[in-house]
Amino acid sequence: DVKVTQSSRYLVKRTGEKVFLECVQDMDHENMFWYRQDPGLGLRLIYFSYDVKMKEKGDIPEGYSVSREKKERFSLILESASTNQTSMYLCASSSSRGEQFFGPGTRLTVL
Amino acid sequence: ILNVEQSPQSLHVQEGDSTNFTCSFPSSNFYALHWYRWETAKSPEALFVMTLNGDEKKKGRISATLNTKEGYSYLYIKGSQPEDSATYLCAPWNDYKLSFGAGTTVTVRA
Repeated sequence: DVKVTQSSRYLVKRTGEKVFLECVQDMDHENMFWYRQDPGLGLRLIYFSYDVKMKEKGDIPEGYSVSREKKERFSLILESASTNQTSMYLCASSSSRGEQFFGPGTRLTVL
Repeated sequence: ILNVEQSPQSLHVQEGDSTNFTCSFPSSNFYALHWYRWETAKSPEALFVMTLNGDEKKKGRISATLNTKEGYSYLYIKGSQPEDSATYLCAPWNDYKLSFGAGTTVTVRA
């Protein structure tokens, strides 16, 4: 059974804290993605990576950074969390242009 | 950012009725179109990946058609059941990534 896992389902942080969201996939996929989902806005792409140590900005990268040191792991970093980063964060992986497999999501609240 | 529009934003369907809804996307530089189903409290799951103009895919009671020349796709649900209640997302693939529409939320009433 293919799997994409995320480190936390729920997370509460304070404004200004550094936040790490981890994502691991076991399908040997080249591509990995971080999205956020807000009501009425659908899934918006933050960053993606198509290879180890490679990263590309998505549509809304401001306030975020990423790290991909190993093929199976893709981390999203909020350098200094702000209240407007309260959201649901979803990680996904895929091979080439194939279907994306999503993790369960992390609901982050920034107080 | 690709402009991807889905309509309607939401719809209510009586159990047993059929329904359909639309995804519109830029027709230039087309590579593939994905459809996903996103049920409440779950992760999005892929329904279809479509690449050819005129393509038609089917999974159970759900089917989709694709027109790449005019930039639209229809998703059909035949004989809706309560378990079909979900948000349906479409996303064209371009430049190594998907651009998701805001989705059509379907609620099937028993």
